Amino acid sequence: QQQVKQSPQSLIVQKGGISIINCAYENTAFDYFPWYQQFPGKGPALLIAIRPDVSEKKEGRFTISFNKSAKQFSLHIMDSQPGDSATYFCAASKNGNKLVFGAGTILRVKS
Amino acid sequence: GAGVSQSPSNKVTEKGKDVELRCDPISGHTALYWYRQSLGQGLEFLIYFQGNSAPDKSGLPSDRFSAERTGGSVSTLTIQRTQQEDSAVYLCASSLQMNTEAFFGQGTRLTVV
Repeated sequence: QQQVKQSPQSLIVQKGGISIINCAYENTAFDYFPWYQQFPGKGPALLIAIRPDVSEKKEGRFTISFNKSAKQFSLHIMDSQPGDSATYFCAASKNGNKLVFGAGTILRVKS
Repeated sequence: GAGVSQSPSNKVTEKGKDVELRCDPISGHTALYWYRQSLGQGLEFLIYFQGNSAPDKSGLPSDRFSAERTGGSVSTLTIQRTQQEDSAVYLCASSLQMNTEAFFGQGTRLTVV
């Protein structure tokens, strides 16, 4: 049972453009929603995270938008750069339990 | 240490052999997680530890897989009688406590031939 659905599978964006990755979840008990960035041969690294008491969180060029009623959250990367090319994973957890990951999105930013 | 350390970084083993994968979490982190990432796939949860106990082992694929953690620190994931479908990158992560940021190691790439 896939509890976190992520889309698209892959994404190509021009340098300077906006990259948008979406995730939808099923379990309304989830209370922590992080996004991870993974470069080839490396482990995932936390990019930004949000809890359901806020609808948006921004850190630099990265923004999470959270829609509790729709059970959806998304990552926006503004002014995308070639160095942002990586695989991005959304995840969710409840009560400090294990993280459940989406399937990942391969982002390529063309210069 | 500065980060989560996993060893070995790469392991090639023959089908049917047992393997042990090691994870050194960040000092002071009480929670430790094991995930498996198959080629081009997402992260599949295996098991997590809070201290030395494992409240959730639900992700272990079969009884060939086991894990332990000693002294609230180092953890070992053991795969017995390895099969080709066990080939994957095994990732370990730790966090200061539950529901806080999890830091991942670089993983162990296991290849079963």
